[in-house]
Amino acid sequence: GENVEQHPSTLSVQEGDSAVIKCTYSDSASNYFPWYKQELGKGPQLIIDIRSNVGEKKDQRIAVTLNKTAKHFSLHITETQPEDSAVYFCAAIPNTGNQFYFGTGTSLTVIP
Amino acid sequence: ETGVTQSPTHLIKTRGQQVTLRCSSQSGHNTVSWYQQALGQGPQFIFQYYREEENGRGNFPPRFSGLQFPNYSSELNVNALELDDSALYLCASSWAGGEDGYTFGSGTRLTVV
Repeated sequence: GENVEQHPSTLSVQEGDSAVIKCTYSDSASNYFPWYKQELGKGPQLIIDIRSNVGEKKDQRIAVTLNKTAKHFSLHITETQPEDSAVYFCAAIPNTGNQFYFGTGTSLTVIP
Repeated sequence: ETGVTQSPTHLIKTRGQQVTLRCSSQSGHNTVSWYQQALGQGPQFIFQYYREEENGRGNFPPRFSGLQFPNYSSELNVNALELDDSALYLCASSWAGGEDGYTFGSGTRLTVV
């Protein structure tokens, strides 16, 4: 099955700086890559996603890039704010299945 | 549009007991997936229900079972609870196979003592 690795496990940045979280996947059949933000006591919330036929996608301060050849994708958050502090999860879904394979999460802390 | 609601929010059970967790899917969604999230880990797929049938299962033993009802709501049942079953159980609804992303509920925190 698919194996998704995520780095770093923890990340601290100063408010206004950028944050980058990286994930790799193993199954070349994976074709959909969502990113979720999970705040304390809440379920994961979809923040951005990308499909395998696209290399980059942006939504205001958030962007995701995908390198299919290298099987890795990254989340970029610019001009970070304290409310960006949360745990972020990447995920991959193979086109042969229906389950999401999640990374182990990155705890992001934005220091005011 | 209502989101995904799960009940109860917290639950404490004794080893060996049985538990039922409930989930109401988001309006317009016809598929429900259940995930187990251990502390400090990413969610792990338990199973998915589509049209009231199990539509894929992760690496979980048969004592984890589920149901989906005609209104697309769902239940997760766990028999013979073990200490390692302590986790956050997440329900996610989606349209069809979930390729457009899930909407997660806030989860049920299960503690087995």
